[in-house]
Amino acid sequence: AQSVTQLGSHVSVSEGALVLLRCNYSSSVPPYLFWYVQYPNQGLQLLLKYTTGATLVKGINGFEAEFKKSETSFHLTKPSAHMSDAAEYFCAVSFMNRDDKIIFGKGTRLHILP
Amino acid sequence: EPEVTQTPSHQVTQMGQEVILRCVPISNHLYFYWYRQILGQKVEFLVSFYNNEISEKSEIFDDQFSVERPDGSNFTLKIRSTKLEDSAMYFCASNRVAGELFFGEGSRLTVL
Repeated sequence: AQSVTQLGSHVSVSEGALVLLRCNYSSSVPPYLFWYVQYPNQGLQLLLKYTTGATLVKGINGFEAEFKKSETSFHLTKPSAHMSDAAEYFCAVSFMNRDDKIIFGKGTRLHILP
Repeated sequence: EPEVTQTPSHQVTQMGQEVILRCVPISNHLYFYWYRQILGQKVEFLVSFYNNEISEKSEIFDDQFSVERPDGSNFTLKIRSTKLEDSAMYFCASNRVAGELFFGEGSRLTVL
């Protein structure tokens, strides 16, 4: 069965420090991978996605993620955290089937310390 | 930029009442979804819909839930008799090709 695991329900980093949010997936078929961000009382916004091709993908707001098949990982990073990055981040996976659903991880709340 | 729109943004209802949540997917999209997020928890898949029928549903989507696309533009989620545990944010999503779902802003349902 396909699943997504996000390590750490809460992560705190200082403003200006590196952000690293971890995501691992399990899948028997090649996945599509996503990171969504949810700001307080708002909907889900796509940060970035990996479907095929280059394994390092860049998204909005300076975030990027690298698909590592050997590690079944898709960790999200940002070199320098900003206060506005405080939000809930969801890693998600779907599969090469046009109508297949997205499965979400449990989410990681990112706290930015001044 | 086209977007998925949902109404109402917030609905408060009494336990046992029927609720209909409405969604207008992006116009050229063919696949439609409802997800649920209980406060502080993960986003959970409820149901997917294609070609006027349910493609897949989760175990959460029991007989109290139904979906409909009545007029070719709206996509609705009905909860027949709400329970306290139905209180959540409900997200509608749509897509045209594999690889990304476009989500609405969500409808917050509070059951008293």
